[in-house]
Parts: sequence; structure tokens; C-alpha cells
Amino acid sequence: ETGVTQSPTHLIKTRGQQVTLRCSSQSGHNTVSWYQQALGQGPQFIFQYYREEENGRGNFPPRFSGLQFPNYSSELNVNALELDDSALYLCASSLVPGQSGNTIYFGEGSWLTVV
Amino acid sequence: QKEVEQNSGPLSVPEGAIASLNCTYSDRGSQSFFWYRQYSGKSPELIMFIYSNGDKEDGRFTAQLNKASQYVSLLIRDSQPSDSATYLCALPSSASKIIFGSGTRLSIRP
Repeated sequence: ETGVTQSPTHLIKTRGQQVTLRCSSQSGHNTVSWYQQALGQGPQFIFQYYREEENGRGNFPPRFSGLQFPNYSSELNVNALELDDSALYLCASSLVPGQSGNTIYFGEGSWLTVV
Repeated sequence: QKEVEQNSGPLSVPEGAIASLNCTYSDRGSQSFFWYRQYSGKSPELIMFIYSNGDKEDGRFTAQLNKASQYVSLLIRDSQPSDSATYLCALPSSASKIIFGSGTRLSIRP
């Protein structure tokens, strides 16, 4: 139990629709990162938010966007869903934007299926 | 672009034996590495963090880092069926980003 909670755990969307995934970070953590993990692949970095500002972005198109709120919870929004967006979306929280794996905690993820 | 390469497996090891998982990386300047374990349908769980050459031991797990040869490995002694999972090698790419390998599936057969 990492203290990072994500919702919803599973959802099915139709191609072209929009989806919002939510993450509550561990208490005291002000940094949230989002990763996409396709079946059989490792997680791919989408972006990170630190104190409500984007603090780094991976190789994902602009239809992937995010927000971080004053309580440090976060949302990942994906517009114009494509079939290839079907994946496990992981939220990770940490105390500061750092590189130490000892301070990064993953939530259980949101499984998105696009049909 | 930093890269991390792993053999996808599956790697099948008898119970009680040593499981050896390997990972190579492209950026000679990389300083630290993680090993994550991921059970099917679950999120990654950090099991080892190593940043200096040589071995780091934690219980049945030993991580080995060889910066000259650009590889990092994970040894699991006395393998148990509960060790059956996908093991992800990862490294920090920047202050915000971690690069993961595609993972090696490990199966421990009774």
C-alpha cells in the first residue's frame, strides 16, 4: 500500500471520446508523474507536475494533457482517443522531482480500453 | 535518447535455484539504476536501487552494476514461486523522468 490512489480502476471508452483519470498522491508529496504502460511493455513517461506546473514531458502528443491541484492531486486527460491508447495508466508520486527510486510510489493504475 | 534493453523472456527457473536477470543501457553517463517487480495486473514495486559499481545485497536479492560494460543485473537466490513476475530495469533520465526497459518475465517452476 503506497498511499497513492487512482480512479477509475477500469474503464472502456470508444474511439474519439475523451477520458479523465485521477490520482491522489501520498500525503506530503508535491510531485506527480504519469506513465503509460502498454501490454508487454515497460511504463513510458507522459509528464510530471510539480507544485501545479508541468515539469517535464515525454514523447506524447498534445491531446494528452494534465492538471495538478493545490492539494497536489492530479488529472490526466486524453482527447480524441485512439485504439493504441489502450493501456495501463500509472500515477507516481514523490516528495520532490528527484531521481531516487526510494521516494517514488506508484498507484495501482487505471486500465483503459479503447474500442 | 537513453535506452534500456532487457530480454523479454520468459525466463524459467526451478524453485530454489538462482534467477539471473540482465539489463544493458546506452548512456555511459548514467549513474543510478532501479529494479522494479511487477506482478500481473499490478503496478511496479521498487525492489532495488543501485548507484555504485559492484554488488548491493538485500535479502535474497543482489543487484550488480558494471559501468564499464554498461550492464546491470539482478540475482534472486533461493527462487520462490512468489518471485514469478515481470522485472523492470529502469534509470533516471532527468530530474523528472524515469526510463524503463520492457521487462523480463520470470517464471519459477515448483
